Amino acid sequence: DAKTTQPPSMDCAEGRAANLPCNHSTISGNEYVYWYRQIHSQGPQYIIHGLKNNETNEMASLIITEDRKSSTLILPHATLRDTAVYYCIVRVAVKGGANSKLTFGKGITLSVRP
Amino acid sequence: DAGVIQSPRHEVTEMGQEVTLRCKPISGHDYLFWYRQTMMRGLELLIYFNNNVPIDDSGMPEDRFSAKMPNASFSTLKIQPSEPRDSAVYFCASSPGVQAFFGQGTRLTVV
Repeated sequence: DAKTTQPPSMDCAEGRAANLPCNHSTISGNEYVYWYRQIHSQGPQYIIHGLKNNETNEMASLIITEDRKSSTLILPHATLRDTAVYYCIVRVAVKGGANSKLTFGKGITLSVRP
Repeated sequence: DAGVIQSPRHEVTEMGQEVTLRCKPISGHDYLFWYRQTMMRGLELLIYFNNNVPIDDSGMPEDRFSAKMPNASFSTLKIQPSEPRDSAVYFCASSPGVQAFFGQGTRLTVV
């Protein structure tokens, strides 16, 4: 699986958008970009994933650059409960999106301040 | 569904003892993952199964660790003998294909 690079930490004000960057310059054509987050003491939680088109769900939006070498996770209105470690993962799609290894890096710690 | 259920939530054991961690995946999910998390090493994938068959165990640190999945609704991770450096939070996750669902973890302390 391709490696990802994320800054170690960032913060944002409550109610503002949080834009979390991720570089994945060696991503292959059959690899998806996934985002998970881990709130303190809990298991990681799936947020969103995409291949090349931008994606949006009830939690967040995922913007993938045209060359697919980087992406941004956007939390449109961050709350204190969004304080967590966010992991960007690239992962081979096997047989129409089925699983392969799901490997976590260090992630980015997002601190939402009041 | 109750989600992925792990037991026990906390385990304290003495060095040299056998430890067994348990996981009940979400019904219908055919992938199961075991992870270990420490401050130093982060979240490490130990092993994963597809349809009860181990697919990749390259993350298992040494022969003291073993994992089994005797049926679709149950998996165990065993450490024998346990050592203080095995102290960590162990997570189990299951997946139907795209997203993985994690349990609350088992915090293991080996003294």
